[in-house]
Amino acid sequence: KNQVEQSPQSLIILEGKNCTLQCNYTVSPFSNLRWYKQDTGRGPVSLTIMTFSENTKSNGRYTATLDADTKQSSLHITASQLSDSASYICVVSRGGGSQGNLIFGKGTKLSVKP
Amino acid sequence: GAVVSQHPSWVICKSGTSVKIECRSLDFQATTMFWYRQFPKQSLMLMATSNEGSKATYEQGVEKDKFLINHASLTLSTLTVTSAHPEDSSFYICSVFTRTGKNQPQHFGDGTRLSIL
Repeated sequence: KNQVEQSPQSLIILEGKNCTLQCNYTVSPFSNLRWYKQDTGRGPVSLTIMTFSENTKSNGRYTATLDADTKQSSLHITASQLSDSASYICVVSRGGGSQGNLIFGKGTKLSVKP
Repeated sequence: GAVVSQHPSWVICKSGTSVKIECRSLDFQATTMFWYRQFPKQSLMLMATSNEGSKATYEQGVEKDKFLINHASLTLSTLTVTSAHPEDSSFYICSVFTRTGKNQPQHFGDGTRLSIL
């Protein structure tokens, strides 16, 4: 069964601290893995897209890693800011289908406190 | 800037009402748009793929007569929830890809929160 599991479900950290969010998937065939940031009541916004051959990709203070062998990904946030408070969604795109053939995780809800 | 505009952002209505949600692509033509639904603390679930000038493709378990999709122009797709009931209360989001091919970014609207009383 094609699934994307994220952990932790929620996380509270202090402003300025770093954190790492985890994503495990069983999607096959694999095309790419995406991380999105979703603010409350808003649509998701793309952070990174990684293909099978990419191990790491950065977008400012966000760094995503991918281990295609173990089917795991992580999103590391450095020097967190209050505006980082949001849900972070891991999405895996299945190969061979339409562009909309994506499997979404339930997200990790991050709260950054002052 | 925004790639997709969705309207309305919030709807509250009585059970039995039909509700129309609009999704517009800004500054480009979208032959395909995607409609998702998100229940609280759940992941986004693809409901249907909206195709300009032809019938939408619905995912398994999504009633096409319940969720009417119209994609009459290259910049507008609409989702109509017919005879809505409380169980239809959810967050509905549309999305587009501005380029074809794999590994392209997906752009989402800001969603419509539908509350059926």
